[in-house]
Amino acid sequence: NAGVTQTPKFRVLKTGQSMTLLCAQDMNHEYMYWYRQDPGMGLRLIHYSVGEGTTAKGEVPDGYNVSRLKKQNFLLGLESAAPSQTSVYFCASSYSGRALNEQFFGPGTRLTVL
Amino acid sequence: KQEVTQIPAALSVPEGENLVLNCSFTDSAIYNLQWFRQDPGKGLTSLLLIQSSQREQTSGRLNASLDKSSGRSTLYIAASQPGDSATYLCAVGPPKQRFGKGTKLTVNP
Repeated sequence: NAGVTQTPKFRVLKTGQSMTLLCAQDMNHEYMYWYRQDPGMGLRLIHYSVGEGTTAKGEVPDGYNVSRLKKQNFLLGLESAAPSQTSVYFCASSYSGRALNEQFFGPGTRLTVL
Repeated sequence: KQEVTQIPAALSVPEGENLVLNCSFTDSAIYNLQWFRQDPGKGLTSLLLIQSSQREQTSGRLNASLDKSSGRSTLYIAASQPGDSATYLCAVGPPKQRFGKGTKLTVNP
């Protein structure tokens, strides 16, 4: 099993450009998450999904959109990138909520917005 | 709003020492607490998951405890090794997982 994979690993954008980050998991997990990690700020939840076709806002959702059209995929979109969105983005998945919610993380996408 | 704090932010110890990392949270209404390890430039690796009904979990040289009433968890690492050097993060939730900022551990040979 590949676990959680993320595409791409690195990306440089210019301000105003758009892009989509792809997360895929092969563990048949219901829940999927997008985080960003910034120095001094730690990991912060952007959006999450509790099942195919559903999404919900996390702690820092502004400037991002997400879609979960297939159970195994969770897409994070930046419609008009800003320098403040320079960060490392992590995707995670878990079997369910509540007590058995052990999260498994992908390797991350390092995004720079110039 | 749940706040998660990890103290100290950094810790340096000689090889072989036993050590304790701390995690505190403000809202005891959690379903579980998870400890992670993160190596530089890498993703997070799950170490231990403690469900809210449990008091502790053990894996090899690692032991994590949970005291919901006091809002605290500790990660005990026995006989530390240079390979244990990494940043250790705790997270409470779910599903809106909240992370501490981590403790950067350096184990010196």
